[in-house]
Amino acid sequence: NAGVMQNPRHLVRRRGQEARLRCSPMKGHSHVYWYRQLPEEGLKFMVYLQKENIIDESGMPKERFSAEFPKEGPSILRIQQVVRGDSAAYFCASSPGTPYSNQPQHFGDGTRLSIL
Amino acid sequence: DQQVKQNSPSLSVQEGRISILNCDYTNSMFDYFLWYKKYPAEGPTFLISISSIKDKNEDGRFTVFLNKSAKHLSLHIVPSQPGDSAVYFCAARAPGEETSGSRLTFGEGTQLTVNP
Repeated sequence: NAGVMQNPRHLVRRRGQEARLRCSPMKGHSHVYWYRQLPEEGLKFMVYLQKENIIDESGMPKERFSAEFPKEGPSILRIQQVVRGDSAAYFCASSPGTPYSNQPQHFGDGTRLSIL
Repeated sequence: DQQVKQNSPSLSVQEGRISILNCDYTNSMFDYFLWYKKYPAEGPTFLISISSIKDKNEDGRFTVFLNKSAKHLSLHIVPSQPGDSAVYFCAARAPGEETSGSRLTFGEGTQLTVNP
């Protein structure tokens, strides 16, 4: 999984606090995706971003969740007023090309978010 | 609506034998399929992919077969090695509008255990 860097690896928050998850894509990749994995489930798509643009956020809850990928710096997934149900592993992936190119997405090692 | 299903939560095989992991899908628009391997506390690692215009793709010990009429794909690992023990996810992508073409839909995963 070298290349896509996520931090922190583990994050503990109390209910009502904010969680900020960071993702730096692989070098040369300009497309970033966020997925969430609940226990015993597969990964679920949340949002797809390119630099300064949200391309597809159809998998992201409408409230409390937001994502950005600024011109400079990592992509940020932000969860406001966290609740217990937000406890999950959040994975970031990146790819180099357009959505139509058959390029696999490469994943980081994830952030394990625990809500007390 | 689970569009990608892996019906076997677990599979156990002997070292040196063949491992066959199965995946079914319902969305006939999927045009690109991938297999990822995941170790605990790590992110998914890309293994092999196949475009819908093909029915087989091989890479070393790994072969993916696609049966479009049955909406079924399988991953064959031969010979299996203890280091192959991991959770295997199949994933699929649908083309179409740019905003939806990039999203991967994952199955729930199959835990493969290769016994020495």
